Amino acid sequence: EDQVTQSPEALRLQEGESSSLNCSYTVSGLRGLFWYRQDPGKGPEFLFTLYSAGEEKEKERLKATLTKKESFLHITAPKPEDSATYLCAVQANSGYSTLTFGKGTMLLVSP
Amino acid sequence: GAVVSQHPSRVICKSGTSVKIECRSLDFQATTMFWYRQFPKQSLMLMATSNEGSKATYEQGVEKDKFLINHASLTLSTLTVTSAHPEDSSFYICSAPVGGENGYTFGSGTRLTVV
Repeated sequence: EDQVTQSPEALRLQEGESSSLNCSYTVSGLRGLFWYRQDPGKGPEFLFTLYSAGEEKEKERLKATLTKKESFLHITAPKPEDSATYLCAVQANSGYSTLTFGKGTMLLVSP
Repeated sequence: GAVVSQHPSRVICKSGTSVKIECRSLDFQATTMFWYRQFPKQSLMLMATSNEGSKATYEQGVEKDKFLINHASLTLSTLTVTSAHPEDSSFYICSAPVGGENGYTFGSGTRLTVV
């Protein structure tokens, strides 16, 4: 069974204080690992897809990395508008495969 | 980009009544729609997968007769929560595959409160 564990559950940062969110996963062959941002009362918003170990992707203050067991979402010099819940999900490399989500990390950035 | 419009965003209903949630693909054809449920501080849990023109596939533990899914056209999928009870109160989200690197697009969610 595919599993995704995210840590920490919640993270409070000061504006400008860089940090990383962790996503550990087990999957029977990885097709893709997805990062989403979810604001309160909203659906997930796509951030990144990573496909193979060693891959990295960046978007503004966010950088996602991937190993064979985990992914990190690095947040550099965060701003209050980066406050949200960040979700990690994996898709297995099988014929019929949906996303398995972690519980998310709730990030709060204080000015 | 591909957009799924979900309505209503919030609904409050009395116990025992039914509620319908709609998801429309605005600028693409969604042959498949995934329906998720999310409880506070929990992960999105897949409830069912609907395919246009055929019966939905439900995940283990999800009652087919309680959560009715209809996908009659390539742009509309609906989830009806029948005889709703307070324990059905949750955040319901639909999602469609869009291909490419983005993978999936999500609706904005429906907050259902059963009183």
